Amino acid sequence: KQEVTQIPAALSVPEGENLVLNCSFTDSAIYNLQWFRQDPGKGLTSLLLIQSSQREQTSGRLNASLDKSSGRSTLYIAASQPGDSATYLCAVKAPQGGKLIFGQGTELSVKP
Amino acid sequence: DGGITQSPKYLFRKEGQNVTLSCEQNLNHDAMYWYRQDPGQGLRLIYYSQIVNDFQKGDIAEGYSVSREKKESFPLTVTSAQKNPTAFYLCASSTRQGGPNYGYTFGSGTRLTVV
Repeated sequence: KQEVTQIPAALSVPEGENLVLNCSFTDSAIYNLQWFRQDPGKGLTSLLLIQSSQREQTSGRLNASLDKSSGRSTLYIAASQPGDSATYLCAVKAPQGGKLIFGQGTELSVKP
Repeated sequence: DGGITQSPKYLFRKEGQNVTLSCEQNLNHDAMYWYRQDPGQGLRLIYYSQIVNDFQKGDIAEGYSVSREKKESFPLTVTSAQKNPTAFYLCASSTRQGGPNYGYTFGSGTRLTVV
């Protein structure tokens, strides 16, 4: 059974710092991996999607990498800003039924 | 603009009542999903549908029911059999349920509270 784990559960950094969020999964048979952002009381906003054949994706200050063989993904945020404060969720798309399996998220706080 | 609309944003249920959460999408997506989010437990899959008139149970389907009569709509009913329904409910859709290349789009959620 696929399990997704995110470390750390919470992270607090000063503004301007570069940071890395980690995601690991137990079964390398995935279609893709998606990183989402969730603000309190809101839905999920897709940040980056990495296909299983890709190694990384970039969007602005965000860079996500995927190492399928080791079951790991990282989300790199450059020059963090207070507006980046949110919960970040990673999810893998399983071949069986195309279901999305989520980690429990990392709650990020960027202090001015 | 294309997207997913969930309504209502807040919903209150009395003991023994059935309530229905609405989810509508205009993205022409084939697959739709319902997730439940509880603090500290992440998102758990309730039901999903790959095509019209077909749906499958997810990991926590007990006490819930769905229908998929139209491609655009996937309503979720929380029945009185669901003993702990207070949670945040999220609807999502994707272009090809079994396909590898497409990600999910989520709605803004419905917060259900038992009173």
